Amino acid sequence: NAGVTQTPKFQVLKTGQSMTLQCAQDMNHEYMSWYRQDPGMGLRLIHYSVGAGITDQGEVPNGYNVSRSTTEDFPLRLLSAAPSQTSVYFCASSYQGPNTEAFFGQGTRLTVV
Amino acid sequence: QQQVKQSPQSLIVQKGGISIINCAYENTAFDYFPWYQQFPGKGPALLIAIRPDVSEKKEGRFTISFNKSAKQFSLHIMDSQPGDSATYFCAANGGTYKYIFGTGTRLKVLA
Repeated sequence: NAGVTQTPKFQVLKTGQSMTLQCAQDMNHEYMSWYRQDPGMGLRLIHYSVGAGITDQGEVPNGYNVSRSTTEDFPLRLLSAAPSQTSVYFCASSYQGPNTEAFFGQGTRLTVV
Repeated sequence: QQQVKQSPQSLIVQKGGISIINCAYENTAFDYFPWYQQFPGKGPALLIAIRPDVSEKKEGRFTISFNKSAKQFSLHIMDSQPGDSATYFCAANGGTYKYIFGTGTRLKVLA
């Protein structure tokens, strides 16, 4: 049972480059989300999706795009990477409805130079 | 009003001791309060959660104490072990899909 799978695990980008962080889950969860984790700031919600074709912004959405074409996949796109986007990114999924356990992937450590 | 304030930022406890981590919130619409445990290089994993209709929930050595009037909740780890060394996050949710996380507590349990 794979759970939530994120790729890549590590990435170094140059300022201005674009890239997509991949997230896939095999639990048939409706809800998926992306967080970034920075020292001393906890986990902050970037974007989330309540089902295929439905996405919405979280707390820190600027500079990121998402789409949800299937239940399983929820990629996060960095349009033009900036050093401020250096962070650890986590994808999470949960079953229907709020107030249910969120399952996290192992994270992608992104460095923008 | 959306913040969840967590303290302390770091904590060192002797093996067998009690670890206590505190969180406070302001939004009275929050009605689900989970604690997540994160080991280095891993994603957070649900440890224990509570709803405001109870004042305490215990699972093994882990206990959540909840004070609705004070808008505070805390995690107690009894008989702390070196394997408990990790970062702990409290969180809150108010019936939406948006979890609000605390800033995390790095716990180290000395052998």
